[in-house]
Amino acid sequence: EPEVTQTPSHQVTQMGQEVILRCVPISNHLYFYWYRQILGQKVEFLVSFYNNEISEKSEIFDDQFSVERPDGSNFTLKIRSTKLEDSAMYFCATPTGAGELFFGEGSRLTVL
Amino acid sequence: KQEVTQIPAALSVPEGENLVLNCSFTDSAIYNLQWFRQDPGKGLTSLLLIQSSQREQTSGRLNASLDKSSGRSTLYIAASQPGDSATYLCAVCDNYGQNFVFGPGTRLSVLP
Repeated sequence: EPEVTQTPSHQVTQMGQEVILRCVPISNHLYFYWYRQILGQKVEFLVSFYNNEISEKSEIFDDQFSVERPDGSNFTLKIRSTKLEDSAMYFCATPTGAGELFFGEGSRLTVL
Repeated sequence: KQEVTQIPAALSVPEGENLVLNCSFTDSAIYNLQWFRQDPGKGLTSLLLIQSSQREQTSGRLNASLDKSSGRSTLYIAASQPGDSATYLCAVCDNYGQNFVFGPGTRLSVLP
């Protein structure tokens, strides 16, 4: 079972500020997903990242969002200019070879 | 576009009861279906994965079935316990094995 660590666990930011959320796999994985969950709502797909490239992205993942693998191990989700509606839990996930998806504990983002 | 629904939205049962949670999806061309548990403010924990060629999977008191042609899956929980209280989510993966679409979840309360 792959382990995924996310930081920070909670971040509070002012509207318009940039936020970077990080995801660290314990073992080597090439495929990563970012999801978000607004309080009380569905888990929504943002973007999938395979072998250092975006594989697929949703309509939510607009120009304010970007993903990177800056140092070969960490995966980051950047929101350039946060809006109030970006307040949510952001989850990183990675699949096993059998297609089973494993999630990190999430990063709670609060935009004031 | 794949859509996933779950019934009921919430369920409250006394301890010891057997219960069934339902998941429906609109596009039967799926790669697999996965059931998750989510505790409040936490990440998603994988419970069971059913590949598209399988009919059911079992883990302890949990049994998940899949009827791909009718677009349905059920999660059966036997002898429910207060510790089972959580939100249960199903997610279907598309036929390319890349995009997971989540249902809104069923919030389960098991009363002692």
